[in-house]
Amino acid sequence: QKEVEQNSGPLSVPEGAIASLNCTYSDRGSQSFFWYRQYSGKSPELIMSIYSNGDKEDGRFTAQLNKASQYVSLLIRDSQPSDSATYLCAVKRFGGYNKLIFGAGTRLAVHP
Amino acid sequence: EAQVTQNPRYLITVTGKKLTVTCSQNMNHEYMSWYRQDPGLGLRQIYYSMNVEVTDKGDVPEGYKVSRKEKRNFPLILESPSPNQTSLYFCASSFATGQGDTSYGYTFGSGTRLTVV
Repeated sequence: QKEVEQNSGPLSVPEGAIASLNCTYSDRGSQSFFWYRQYSGKSPELIMSIYSNGDKEDGRFTAQLNKASQYVSLLIRDSQPSDSATYLCAVKRFGGYNKLIFGAGTRLAVHP
Repeated sequence: EAQVTQNPRYLITVTGKKLTVTCSQNMNHEYMSWYRQDPGLGLRQIYYSMNVEVTDKGDVPEGYKVSRKEKRNFPLILESPSPNQTSLYFCASSFATGQGDTSYGYTFGSGTRLTVV
């Protein structure tokens, strides 16, 4: 079992719809969770961080965390073609140094 | 502007010719790390550094070296590159963990696409 798992996609949604990206993790003690967006050939860009159970909203993005289920998700409202990218989920293990474990990413395609 | 600067952006080299990829950050971050990204394998950590003169292996360190003589710089050295080191490389930095073991996340450099022929 991978430490951080994501569906590779592609997830295809129409413009204006809600895109829902999911991530599960195996280390129950993890405390910090991140979503990165990566355009093809570019570097990952941090778009959301979440530390507590529940929802965290930032503009069109909402991160949801459920530590009991070891599940973190990212919702993108009013999806735009410019949101088409690969979304990486990252989790910091409990303790030790500041190492983030990355999922392999979900490719999102927003079509007009 | 707060950033992580990597150079070069693209590099084609021949097997066995030593090369260095530079990484510099201007955010006074303690933690720096190198990743490689390959299709289907995601981001894999090569080496990391928790502060000046403190470095350690990540998940795929074979064939790589690093040094951290100054806080802002963390170069990646390939002493004898081989074709299986052809990849997209990223340097990342962050502050050390905060209270309650929380992490601040990483800032990534723009990447170096390395081809070894």
